[in-house]
Amino acid sequence: DGGITQSPKYLFRKEGQNVTLSCEQNLNHDAMYWYRQDPGQGLRLIYYSQIVNDFQKGDIAEGYSVSREKKESFPLTVTSAQKNPTAFYLCASSLGAVQETQYFGPGTRLLVL
Amino acid sequence: AQSVTQLGSHVSVSEGALVLLRCNYSSSVPPYLFWYVQYPNQGLQLLLKYTTGATLVKGINGFEAEFKKSETSFHLTKPSAHMSDAAEYFCAVSGPGGTSYGKLTFGQGTILTVHP
Repeated sequence: DGGITQSPKYLFRKEGQNVTLSCEQNLNHDAMYWYRQDPGQGLRLIYYSQIVNDFQKGDIAEGYSVSREKKESFPLTVTSAQKNPTAFYLCASSLGAVQETQYFGPGTRLLVL
Repeated sequence: AQSVTQLGSHVSVSEGALVLLRCNYSSSVPPYLFWYVQYPNQGLQLLLKYTTGATLVKGINGFEAEFKKSETSFHLTKPSAHMSDAAEYFCAVSGPGGTSYGKLTFGQGTILTVHP
């Protein structure tokens, strides 16, 4: 079955630690996205990538980094510079054009110890 | 910049009653419009979308939405609520009204509760 997988489902971060969230898709989509979800705030775009080896900052990129070395993979690193990382993180992919549907993964919940 | 407003963070209906979830967007140029549903601790699933053509859009699970350019609205409706409709619903927009390349701007979400 085609789809998007995210791992782990739950992730715990210690003070000063960088953590990486995985996102993989087998839909052959060009574009991939990372969103952060906080209660009552909807989803906010962190980073997006239109093609391999290219990515752009979204609305809340500070404290995050990404890479896009392969078409099917778009990992997100939450760095120690992100002071409030507790949230639900959602990865999505699409064919890329503005009218195309974004398909979402099941999400990763990040908690701070 | 695009913005999306969902009126009512919580909506409660009885099973069998009409569901109406409101969404207004800000754009002088009609954007592309989406409704997504999210069940607890899961990702988002597309309910329906409007790109061009007929302004009344039918989606999955009996939901539909009507694009009204004059009112800059895209309200979501379902004639008869079912217990399984209880979830959080998000309205979202993307270009051509100013956002770039497939970027979605989301509303704050509306939690739908369905009472027996």
